[in-house]
Amino acid sequence: DGGITQSPKYLFRKEGQNVTLSCEQNLNHDAMYWYRQDPGQGLRLIYYSQIVNDFQKGDIAEGYSVSREKKESFPLTVTSAQKNPTAFYLCASSIGGGPGNEQFFGPGTRLTVL
Amino acid sequence: KQEVTQIPAALSVPEGENLVLNCSFTDSAIYNLQWFRQDPGKGLTSLLLIQSSQREQTSGRLNASLDKSSGRSTLYIAASQPGDSATYLCAVSCYGQNFVFGPGTRLSVLP
Repeated sequence: DGGITQSPKYLFRKEGQNVTLSCEQNLNHDAMYWYRQDPGQGLRLIYYSQIVNDFQKGDIAEGYSVSREKKESFPLTVTSAQKNPTAFYLCASSIGGGPGNEQFFGPGTRLTVL
Repeated sequence: KQEVTQIPAALSVPEGENLVLNCSFTDSAIYNLQWFRQDPGKGLTSLLLIQSSQREQTSGRLNASLDKSSGRSTLYIAASQPGDSATYLCAVSCYGQNFVFGPGTRLSVLP
């Protein structure tokens, strides 16, 4: 079955640590996205990638980094520079050809700072 | 900049009732509008996608309409069931831009 997987489902981080969230898709989609969701707020775009080896900052990129070395994978690193990282993180993909095409989401990773 | 709002923030209805969820957007030059469902602690499930040239889309008991001139989309759910209880989000993209998401409407269907 085609889909998007995210791991881990739950992640705990100590102050000052970097952590990496995994996102893998087997939909053969060109574009991948990372969003952050906080209670009572809409999803906010962190980073996106329209093609391998290229990515762009979204609205809230500070304190985060990404890489896109393979079409199937788009890992997100939450660095110690991100002051309030506790949130629900969602990865999505679309067929590409520019932003704004139909998106499909993974199950999410809940990150908690201890 | 595109802004998306959803009213009401929460809604409770008895089982079997037909209901309408609203999504409003400020920039009518849209490319796509997508409706999602989110269960607690889960990812988003795509329900319907309406392209700019379309007026409505239907899937089972769901019907989504788009009125670009008034900056509105509605999601109609027929004969609601307790299993429809979830948060419903709409997202709007303009040409060459990423989706902007609304805050969602939390729906409870009471048995």
